[in-house]
Amino acid sequence: SQTIHQWPATLVQPVGSPLSLECTVEGTSNPNLYWYRQAAGRGLQLLFYSVGIGQISSEVPQNLSASRPQDRQFILSSKKLLLSDSGFYLCAWEGGSASPLHFGNGTRLTVT
Amino acid sequence: QKEVEQNSGPLSVPEGAIASLNCTYSDRVSQSFFWYRQYSGKSPELIMSIYSNGDKEDGRFTAQLNKASQYVSLLIRDSQPSDSATYLCAVNKGGSNYKLTFGKGTLLTVNP
Repeated sequence: SQTIHQWPATLVQPVGSPLSLECTVEGTSNPNLYWYRQAAGRGLQLLFYSVGIGQISSEVPQNLSASRPQDRQFILSSKKLLLSDSGFYLCAWEGGSASPLHFGNGTRLTVT
Repeated sequence: QKEVEQNSGPLSVPEGAIASLNCTYSDRVSQSFFWYRQYSGKSPELIMSIYSNGDKEDGRFTAQLNKASQYVSLLIRDSQPSDSATYLCAVNKGGSNYKLTFGKGTLLTVNP
């Protein structure tokens, strides 16, 4: 069966520091991968999605970036965090058209 | 008009009752519909997918889709305190899930 791993679970970072969140998927090949953010009291916001190695699409212009160095690995990064980057970051995968998204356990990021 | 709308709640029902959660969407070309359950501080968990008009039942959960009226609902029979969570409706216009739009969720509280 497929599983998705996301780490770390929680992170507290000062403003201006870099960020790297990692997500890996097991049990499937060539998944479509997604990064979402859920700010307190707000809905899920799609940040990036990837349909293959090195293929990244951005939905929202911001100081975040994403990379997909391997088929089942998706990384979210920032060079300098802002206070507004605080939130719950969720990695998700799906196996094909119209199939549902499956989420990782998430990373709760607090920027201080 | 928001693309996917849900009553934010909270919706409070007594244990053993039927909880009815509703969702409307604006884009008539939407093809895939999902309900997710999100416990406080946790990531969303898929509980139902529905793709065609009518009812789909899975245990205590029933999803209902009416494309003509552009709404999808989730019924939870014999509600339990463990069902207390935020329920997210997600609608896909078609193709891969970069077109997936989430509602902001309805908070359900089941009182013992």
